[in-house]
Amino acid sequence: EAGVTQSPTHLIKTRGQQATLRCSPISGHTSVYWYQQALGLGLQFLLWYDEGEERNRGNFPPRFSGRQFPNYSSELNVNALELEDSALYLCASSLPPEMDTQYFGPGTRLTVL
Amino acid sequence: GQNIDQPTEMTATEGAIVQINCTYQTSGFNGLFWYQQHAGEAPTFLSYNVLDGLEEKGRFSSFLSRSKGYSYLLLKELQMKDSASYLCAVRRLSGGSYIPTFGRGTSLIVHP
Repeated sequence: EAGVTQSPTHLIKTRGQQATLRCSPISGHTSVYWYQQALGLGLQFLLWYDEGEERNRGNFPPRFSGRQFPNYSSELNVNALELEDSALYLCASSLPPEMDTQYFGPGTRLTVL
Repeated sequence: GQNIDQPTEMTATEGAIVQINCTYQTSGFNGLFWYQQHAGEAPTFLSYNVLDGLEEKGRFSSFLSRSKGYSYLLLKELQMKDSASYLCAVRRLSGGSYIPTFGRGTSLIVHP
């Protein structure tokens, strides 16, 4: 069974640009979660999508947004990039009900210059 | 507010036992997870506790006391490959649904 996949592996952007990160969940999983893991900090919950809808979001500004497609894959968009957005962005998927055991992808390393 | 505390770093000897503690203060608590994360890799699920008591799974055990806001992960017969970061995560009710809050992780170094 294929695990959670994310692309790209690395992404380098400059301040003010937009970044798009992608995630494909495990087959059969309908929930997708996005996390930010900055150096020295724990995983910070960003967004949760289930069945195509945003179910909850963490304490992040609106320039962090995303969507989930009919095949349950998901995109995370970060607008007006700031230097402090540099981090590892992890995607996880799970079966419903919400927050059942989560399976994480390898992450996208975003660097903002 | 939400607060999860774990030690930043621990060291132990191969073959020994180590206990990693996690204390939390949160409203709407509905369970606690432990994840293992090797350097440069994604976290992997270790255990989930929602009721008080000890859950044993091979060399790893996890304990929860809801009244004390306390959990620990116990690793027995330590191996070098157990060197990793161990993340404590609380499942809590927020905005009508359950979301996770992670601690900063405990970096465990196992030496020969």
